[in-house]
Order: sequence, then structure tokens, then C-alpha cells
Amino acid sequence: AQKVTQAQTEISVVEKEDVTLDCVYETRDTTYYLFWYKQPPSGELVFLIRRNSFDEQNEISGRYSWNFQKSTSSFNFTITASQVVDSAVYFCALRGAYNTDKLIFGTGTRLQVFP
Amino acid sequence: DARVTQTPRDKVTEMGQEVTMRCQPILGHNTVFWYRQTMMQGLELLAYFRNRAPLDDSGMPKDRFSAEMPDATLATLKIQPSEPRDSAVYFCASGLGTSTDTQYFGPGTRLTVL
Repeated sequence: AQKVTQAQTEISVVEKEDVTLDCVYETRDTTYYLFWYKQPPSGELVFLIRRNSFDEQNEISGRYSWNFQKSTSSFNFTITASQVVDSAVYFCALRGAYNTDKLIFGTGTRLQVFP
Repeated sequence: DARVTQTPRDKVTEMGQEVTMRCQPILGHNTVFWYRQTMMQGLELLAYFRNRAPLDDSGMPKDRFSAEMPDATLATLKIQPSEPRDSAVYFCASGLGTSTDTQYFGPGTRLTVL
């Protein structure tokens, strides 16, 4: 069975702090895809990143970075120098590569960034 | 900037009424998904289509829910009759249907059944 765990329900930080959102996944597939989505207070789900299981290179996009470690089945997301606009619920998701398009979502981490 | 669109954005209805939600996928996307988000269950897949054919609707309550794609630019999710427990945000997402696909979500329809 596939599963995504986001153990942090809610995180509060003050602007300019760095924050890491944890994501741990379970799958028996050898090929799979991991995703992060952002859900701001307005409610829409915004795609942030997709990572393939065979590509363990970390990725940086501006203040966002992702650390993928197959050895620990983790795909953590770090926001550097957080801003109030980063306040949102962040979802990690998993999809197998074979015979399924289904995204398995974690329960989300609510990030609040205070000025 | 191509986006998935959903209508209505908000719907308040009374128990027993029929509800129809509509989704326009991104042009060129051949796979359309319907998700439901609640506080208790989180995000759960209800059904999805590829090239307008239903591939999986195992997440959908069959007795009252139905999903269709009348054409490539329109997907519908219907609830009849609606119940208070159907209150949720319903998201539509679309994708290219490849093995490396990314699903792009619409803004959602917030349904409240009184």
C-alpha cells in the first residue's frame, strides 16, 4: 500500500526564519513520483514540484528547496527566509508509475508565517 | 496562462436537491480527475477519466454520485440527492496522461448542503 505521512500538523514561524516541512512516504514501487502542492487561504491547490524516484538530486527554486532521500523515504521541503505570503497548507503527494494515476496525499502541514 | 476552471465556486443547497459541478480542463489535457477535500478525510480521489472514458470511480459513492465527460472540454460531477455529509470542497484536476504526468488543479467548488 502507498502512504504519505506529514507528521507536522501546524508550524508557526516569524518572517525571515527558515522552515522545513517533513514528508515521509511508503511504497513498494521501484519507480514513483513525489509532489508538493501549496494551498493558500484562497483555497486553490498550486503545484510546486514533481520529483522522480530515480533522480535524487536536490532542487532549489528561489527560496524553496527540496531534499529527496530514498534511504529514509523522505522528501522534505525547506523555505528559506520565510515570508507572510508563504502562509498556507502544504501537501506532499505520491504517485506510482505503473497502472495508476492516483495521487496519494498526506494530511498537509499548515504553515503560519507571522510578521 | 492555462488553468483548470470550475463552476460554481460556491454552492449552498438544501438536502435532497441535485447539485451539478462543472470543470473545464486545460486545453490539450486528456485526463481529468475529481477530488473531494474534507477536514476529516483530507484529499481523496473520487473518479477520473482519460480521453473522456472513466478509468476509476472506486472512490465515488455510486448511489448518489455520477461523473461524466460530455466532451473533451467539459467534465461534470453530479450529486442527486445531496446530503449534509456531502459538504466539502470538490476539486477538478487535469493532466496529460503520461507516466510522468503532473496534475493541475482548479480552484474548487465549495459545496454546503443544509
